[in-house]
Amino acid sequence: NAGVTQTPKFRILKIGQSMTLQCTQDMNHNYMYWYRQDPGMGLKLIYYSVGAGITDKGEVPNGYNVSRSTTEDFPLRLELAAPSQTSVYFCASSYRDRGQPQHFGDGTRLSIL
Amino acid sequence: KQEVTQIPAALSVPEGENLVLNCSFTDSAIYNLQWFRQDPGKGLTSLLLIQSSQREQTSGRLNASLDKSSGRSTLYIAASQPGDSATYLCAVSTSGYSTLTFGKGTMLLVSP
Repeated sequence: NAGVTQTPKFRILKIGQSMTLQCTQDMNHNYMYWYRQDPGMGLKLIYYSVGAGITDKGEVPNGYNVSRSTTEDFPLRLELAAPSQTSVYFCASSYRDRGQPQHFGDGTRLSIL
Repeated sequence: KQEVTQIPAALSVPEGENLVLNCSFTDSAIYNLQWFRQDPGKGLTSLLLIQSSQREQTSGRLNASLDKSSGRSTLYIAASQPGDSATYLCAVSTSGYSTLTFGKGTMLLVSP
């Protein structure tokens, strides 16, 4: 089972560039999430989705956009990269039942220079 | 706004010791609490999930307790092993959509 797959694993961007972080899951989960983790900090929620076509903001959405056209995929878009967006980005998914744990990908390590 | 605190931030113990990691949260209106393990350069692995109506959950050498009224949870690791070395994260769900609020984690080092 692949679980949650994130690509790329590493990326260096220049200030002002844009990119899309890819996330796909093969567990038929309804809920998907994007978090960022800064050094020495816990994870903070950027956006989440409760199903195809439905997304909502988390705690730190500024500078990011998401879409959910299929159950499997939940890409995260950075339009104008800024140094403050240097972080490790994690995608996660879970079943609709709130009693189910979240499954995480291995993360994308992004540096903005 | 929910805030999650984990104490200690780092812990170093010799192999074989029993140890306790602590987690506290400010808003007791939670749906569940999860403990995760994070290895360096890797994603998070869910260890235990405790529903708000439960008092504890056990998995092998791990036991997690929850006292919702006081806003506290503990993760007990019995007979620690070097392979237990990792960062342990506590997270609570206060949303019907299972979004999580995380603590900063406890970095555990178990020496042979």
